[in-house]
Amino acid sequence: QVQLQESGPGLVKPSGTLSLTCAVSGGSISSSNWWSWVRQPPGKGLEWIGEIYHSGSTNYNPSLKSRVTISVDKSKNQFSLKLSSVTAADTAVYYCARDLGTSGAAFDIWGQGTMVTVSS
Amino acid sequence: QSVLTQPPSASGTPGQRVTISCSGSSSNIGSNTVNWYQQLPGTAPKLLIYSNNQRPSGVPDRFSGSKSGTSASLAISGLQSEDEADYYCAAWDDSLNAVFGGGTKLTVL
Repeated sequence: QVQLQESGPGLVKPSGTLSLTCAVSGGSISSSNWWSWVRQPPGKGLEWIGEIYHSGSTNYNPSLKSRVTISVDKSKNQFSLKLSSVTAADTAVYYCARDLGTSGAAFDIWGQGTMVTVSS
Repeated sequence: QSVLTQPPSASGTPGQRVTISCSGSSSNIGSNTVNWYQQLPGTAPKLLIYSNNQRPSGVPDRFSGSKSGTSASLAISGLQSEDEADYYCAAWDDSLNAVFGGGTKLTVL
């Protein structure tokens, strides 16, 4: 079955760029699914960051759009997140997830999540 | 502030039926389906209900979902102690982004 695994630095300096990768195993990233990033600040709720299709098409959360880039690497079966100009407010657990493909926001497979702290 | 509105907390005793509401607008719940997630402490969210009322394989039929207009509800019958968790609703918004509710913390008394 499909599994997702996030990886990347756990500590990022303020004003820097957060970079994470989600490796897809047990299936192809070129399947008919959109692939998303979702984050959760400590003690708070879930926030959708954005999504990508294997063709490279993307959709982003309007509140983060100016700082977010999501890309796909089909050769490595993975997709990535870059979030620029980070502040302490970007400290969160970052999850990658697969959309089931119904009418959106139905994430049936999740990575375990990776904690990213923004601090000097 | 979340786009979808949920009560911050809910509670019930074992065996009871509990419902959690989720309110949105015409651009999200009103025109797209609703999904529900269960998040146990320290774990990733788990898809509980998709397309308003469909259960993924393995989800007990104690969990059910419904939608009417711009609101949706998650019902949990035969409440069990292991149902104590945070529950989130989510939907696609016509502005091309996914939106979540703020989450409801369910306590089993």
